[in-house]
Amino acid sequence: AQKVTQAQTEISVVEKEDVTLDCVYETRDTTYYLFWYKQPPSGELVFLIRRNSFDEQNEISGRYSWNFQKSTSSFNFTITASQVVDSAVYFCALSGLIQGAQKLVFGQGTRLTINP
Amino acid sequence: DAGVIQSPRHEVTEMGQEVTLRCKPISGHDYLFWYRQTMMRGLELLIYFNNNVPIDDSGMPEDRFSAKMPNASFSTLKIQPSEPRDSAVYFCASSLTHYEQYFGPGTRLTVT
Repeated sequence: AQKVTQAQTEISVVEKEDVTLDCVYETRDTTYYLFWYKQPPSGELVFLIRRNSFDEQNEISGRYSWNFQKSTSSFNFTITASQVVDSAVYFCALSGLIQGAQKLVFGQGTRLTINP
Repeated sequence: DAGVIQSPRHEVTEMGQEVTLRCKPISGHDYLFWYRQTMMRGLELLIYFNNNVPIDDSGMPEDRFSAKMPNASFSTLKIQPSEPRDSAVYFCASSLTHYEQYFGPGTRLTVT
């Protein structure tokens, strides 16, 4: 069975601090995908990144960066120089690939609060 | 380009009533997913379609729930009869084969 664990239920930091959100996953699949989604207070789910299991290169997008380590089954997300607008619930998700579809298994989410 | 569209955004109904949630996927996407989000259970996949055909409905909680996709641009999730424990936010998402899912804004359902 697939499982995603986001051990940090809530994180609160002051604006401009760096913050890392942890994600640990379990799967028996050799090919799988990892995702991060953002859910701001307005409620929609916003796609941030997708990474496949064969690509362990870290990725940076502006103030966002992701660290994928298969050896520890982790896919952590770092926000550099956080801003109030980064306040949201962040979900890590995992999927295998069944018939071309990615059946997402979500973690419980980490509520991030950036204080001014 | 328009994203995934869901209606209504909010629905309040009484126990026992029929509820129909609607979704229009992103044009050209061949997969459509229905999820439910609650505080207790988080985000759960209910059912998904490929080219309008239901592929996996193992997440549908019980026979009171049904979903249809009569064409590539429309899907419904129906609850009949509704119960207070069905109160949740229901999300629709769509994707291209092998690609990430894009979510609609959700429908917040309250059953009293």
